Amino acid sequence: QSALTQPASVSGSPGQSITISCTGTSGDVGGYDYVSWYQQHPGKAPKLMIYDVSKRPSGVSNRFSGSKSGNTASLTISGLQAEDEADYYCSSYTSGSTLGVFGGGTKVTVL
Amino acid sequence: EVQLVESGGGLVQPGGSLRLSCAASGLTVSSNYMSWVRQAPGKGLEWVSVIYSDTSTYYADTVKGRFTISRDNPKNALYLQMNSLRAEDTAVYYCASYLYQFLFQHWGQGTLVSVSS
Repeated sequence: QSALTQPASVSGSPGQSITISCTGTSGDVGGYDYVSWYQQHPGKAPKLMIYDVSKRPSGVSNRFSGSKSGNTASLTISGLQAEDEADYYCSSYTSGSTLGVFGGGTKVTVL
Repeated sequence: EVQLVESGGGLVQPGGSLRLSCAASGLTVSSNYMSWVRQAPGKGLEWVSVIYSDTSTYYADTVKGRFTISRDNPKNALYLQMNSLRAEDTAVYYCASYLYQFLFQHWGQGTLVSVSS
């Protein structure tokens, strides 16, 4: 099962909005509404930010939002802040031989 | 508050074995789905294994036949027995609670496993 495709890096200035894409296939992203996004700061554990494509866990800022169109899911961070600088990983349930698949990760830089 | 604390990582030679532990608090391991996810140095996340509340287990193809996930209900702990270790198993191993359909809710801080001669 191939990893989901994410851009290696995305950057933006404080206050701006950025969007990270996550492209899969009809066997994963396109076939199920089970896409999640995780934030990981250097040396720290991943943190769940979005699940079921667009739902936010309690405590996660509403500046983070998720969506999906076809085989591509997206994470949008609005009002970019310095603390948002981190790696972001998407994941999806899959019908393949494995339970699911992660994306390769996107490094977000706040300029 | 849920806390997951991994331990047991270290340096091991190729072909060797290691057992990772994950001590849970604020969450009952026996009534939750629990999983291991790893991250090779500078790389992305890779799912390793999951154990369901009915004790059924599943593994990634890359570790099937070599790794075994288990739990100790009285100790409220999760384990990962790793045998026949290879250089490519070098990674930080995270314990995580697994809700459904590849959704990981709570994560531990991770424990580093290095496989090298």
